[in-house]
Amino acid sequence: DAGVTQSPTHLIKTRGQQVTLRCSPKSGHDTVSWYQQALGQGPQFIFQYYEEEERQRGNFPDRFSGHQFPNYSSELNVNALLLGDSALYLCASRALAGDYKNIQYFGAGTRLSVL
Amino acid sequence: GESVGLHLPTLSVQEGDNSIINCAYSNSASDYFIWYKQESGKGPQFIIDIRSNMDKRQGQRVTVLLNKTVKHLSLQIAATQPGDSAVYFCAETRMGGGNKLTFGTGTQLKVEL
Repeated sequence: DAGVTQSPTHLIKTRGQQVTLRCSPKSGHDTVSWYQQALGQGPQFIFQYYEEEERQRGNFPDRFSGHQFPNYSSELNVNALLLGDSALYLCASRALAGDYKNIQYFGAGTRLSVL
Repeated sequence: GESVGLHLPTLSVQEGDNSIINCAYSNSASDYFIWYKQESGKGPQFIIDIRSNMDKRQGQRVTVLLNKTVKHLSLQIAATQPGDSAVYFCAETRMGGGNKLTFGTGTQLKVEL
């Protein structure tokens, strides 16, 4: 049973560019959330997707957008990259039903460096 | 891999000792709490959870205590092993509020041989 998988593992971009990160949820999970983790800090919630719609959003600008596909996989897009966007981007998935429905399982993340 | 805990509080323990990691949470409306372990270069890994209607929950070698009066959580690790070395985060959420996780600062646990 594959866990949450994210791609790519590492990415280097320059200021002003756009980036797309990808996430496949754990088997049986239908809800995907994205988090940003700066070095030395805890993850910060960006947004959550369920049934292909954004359901909840954290305190991030509109430059951060996302998408969920019918197979529950998800993309995170960041436009007009800033140096401060350099971070580890984590995807987490959970099921909406079942004994473990409240537990979010994380992928290994994508390390984004903006130069 | 790079460290996730460059500026985090650090707890150093001897192998075999018990570890206690503390966390203060912020939202009195939170009703579900999770402890995660994050090793260098990896994503957070679920350890144990607890609902607000409980004050203690035990797992394998780990125990979580919840004190809602002072909004405090603790994670106790029995017989700490070198493989326990990592950054530990507590996270809070409201189960009826979409389960958005709010993470604490994190604690770097170092196990000395």
